[in-house]
Amino acid sequence: DTEVTQTPKHLVMGMTNKKSLKCEQHMGHRAMYWYKQKAKKPPELMFVYSYEKLSINESVPSRFSPECPNSSLLNLHLHALQPEDSALYLCASSQDFTGYGYTFGSGTRLTVV
Amino acid sequence: GIQVEQSPPDLILQEGANSTLRCNFSDSVNNLQWFHQNPWGQLINLFYIPSGTKQNGRLSATTVATERYSLLYISSSQTTDSGVYFCAGLDRGSTLGRLYFGRGTQLTVWP
Repeated sequence: DTEVTQTPKHLVMGMTNKKSLKCEQHMGHRAMYWYKQKAKKPPELMFVYSYEKLSINESVPSRFSPECPNSSLLNLHLHALQPEDSALYLCASSQDFTGYGYTFGSGTRLTVV
Repeated sequence: GIQVEQSPPDLILQEGANSTLRCNFSDSVNNLQWFHQNPWGQLINLFYIPSGTKQNGRLSATTVATERYSLLYISSSQTTDSGVYFCAGLDRGSTLGRLYFGRGTQLTVWP
């Protein structure tokens, strides 16, 4: 299995809703990441997990809450989002911290209404 | 600082043409990679190329680390090559695998 699987592919949520994005990899990769991508822009890092521990939080608002239940799973819990949070959310993993084997999921396209 | 710059920003080709995309990066960047993002948003890792040359079918890449640039060659382009090509690298001083992306090259291949 050489894939990173993300669900759901599309999500529309209201500003008072709570939802979760899910990400799964079975490549034995040690690092997992959440990136956010706005239209016509490159991806921007949100969080890094290494060995299931949060290593980087790029000053992301608390309405985004990451969770790593085990070495294969990564969740992003969403609460009280704003319309400007609408974006493509990408999960990725890499074999190690040299960046080798960097693999992205197909993303969740989030719309906040 | 960390800088990753790509050129050209946009490229329009007829099917069958060849093209070269360029990525310049600062001294604090290493472990250069090339990605293709299709119109549906999927980012595909094309090459992990800290230095040297690699080829995969019609695509090849060369990184000259000592001169801080990398090139992606696309030969005999096809409409399915359309999308955004990103180069990205890691912070040489970090151990946490964060990728720094260039702004991308938007490639459109017409039939």
